[in-house]
Amino acid sequence: AQTVTQSQPEMSVQEAETVTLSCTYDTSENNYYLFWYKQPPSRQMILVIRQEAYKQQNATENRFSVNFQKAAKSFSLKISDSQLGDTAMYFCAFMNVLYTGKLIFGQGTTLQVKP
Amino acid sequence: EAGVAQSPRYKIIEKRQSVAFWCNPISGHATLYWYQQILGQGPKLLIQFQNNGVVDDSQLPKDRFSAERLKGVDSTLKIQPAKLEDSAVYLCASSLGQIEQYFGPGTRLTVT
Repeated sequence: AQTVTQSQPEMSVQEAETVTLSCTYDTSENNYYLFWYKQPPSRQMILVIRQEAYKQQNATENRFSVNFQKAAKSFSLKISDSQLGDTAMYFCAFMNVLYTGKLIFGQGTTLQVKP
Repeated sequence: EAGVAQSPRYKIIEKRQSVAFWCNPISGHATLYWYQQILGQGPKLLIQFQNNGVVDDSQLPKDRFSAERLKGVDSTLKIQPAKLEDSAVYLCASSLGQIEQYFGPGTRLTVT
């Protein structure tokens, strides 16, 4: 069974600085997707970034980038130039290509951006 | 484009009562998901529909939970009877393919 672990329950960062959220996962599969979702307080969850396991190049989306280490089964999220609007719960998630649609989420990391 | 709609946003019931949640997915999205998010945890998939057929309901507690998606559009999730441990946020999501999911605002259920 696949599992996703986020070992940092809470983190904080000063506005305009950089922060990295950690995620590790366990799977015996070779083809899968990894995601980072953002859930702001009292607002709906939105997709931040996605990585296909077959791609060696790390995904980037504006200020958000990932460090995907397939052998180590590690998938960290870097947020550059942090903004107050980045304050949210961040979830790392895994999806097996063979079971598309079934997202397996980590426990989440609460990120607070301080002014 | 309108997002995923859910109602009600909040519900408080006593244990052993029944409750139903409603979800309207993004227009044209064939796949619909219900997740349960217990406080302090990540969402857990309860059931996945493809049009009006069930793809995966392996984690749905079928003795008390039921879900349907009539006509392949709207969906309802029902709990009968509710237990204290059912207190959670119930999230609905939809997707056009099956990779990128769009989430609704959720229904926060409190069972007392």
